[in-house]
Amino acid sequence: SQKIEQNSEALNIQEGKTATLTCNYTNYSPAYLQWYRQDPGRGPVFLLLIRENEKEKRKERLKVTFDTTLKQSLFHITASQPADSATYLCALVYSSASKIIFGSGTRLSIRP
Amino acid sequence: GAGVSQSPRYKVAKRGQDVALRCDPISGHVSLFWYQQALGQGPEFLTYFQNEAQLDKSGLPSDRFFAERPEGSVSTLKIQRTQQEDSAVYLCASSGPARQGNYGYTFGSGTRLTVV
Repeated sequence: SQKIEQNSEALNIQEGKTATLTCNYTNYSPAYLQWYRQDPGRGPVFLLLIRENEKEKRKERLKVTFDTTLKQSLFHITASQPADSATYLCALVYSSASKIIFGSGTRLSIRP
Repeated sequence: GAGVSQSPRYKVAKRGQDVALRCDPISGHVSLFWYQQALGQGPEFLTYFQNEAQLDKSGLPSDRFFAERPEGSVSTLKIQRTQQEDSAVYLCASSGPARQGNYGYTFGSGTRLTVV
C-alpha cells in the first residue's frame, strides 16, 4: 500500500528564515499532490496543489516542488513568521476521482 | 453556510454507547468525506459521498460505523457500541466538483470523541 513520509520531528526555525518541509512517498506517483495547514483544534486548511506534470508552484511566500523521479515534494515558506507555526500535511491523490491520502504531518515552530 | 459545520464539537461517550456525529457541508457541494484523525497522526479516510450516493466506504474500520447523506446535503456518521479505540477527532470535508482530486477540500473543525 502507499506510504507517505513526512519529517516526524518538529521543525524549529528562526523568524525570517526559509522553512523547508519534506514529503516522500513510495510506489506510484500521484496525479496531484496537495499541502494543508492544520492548527490545534481545527481542521486542515488547503494551501496548494501541484500536478504530476508540474515541477514547481508558488503562492505568495509558499513554494511547492514535485519530483516524480525522487518521489518527493518539498514545501517552502520564505520569510517565515511566528504566525506560520502549525502542522503541515502532505496529501496525495491518485486520480481525479479518488480519495485524498494524508501523511502524518510535520509540526513547524517559528521562533521570534 | 460559509464553511463546513460539525456538531457536536466534543462528545464523551461511555463504552458501548451509540453516537451520531453531524456534518453540514458548504451549500451546493457535491462531494462529502469523513476522516478519522488520531492524536499526532494525519487524517485517515473513512468514507465518501457524491450527492446522496456513498461511493466509497472502504475506510470504515468495522460494521459498527455507518454513514448516511439521505438528501445529498447534511451527513451523519454513526458509531454503534463505541469502543475506546474509537476515541479520535472525526473530520468532515466537502468539495464542490464531483471530481475532487484536483481541488482542495474544505474541512470542518471536527468532533472530538472520547470513549470512557
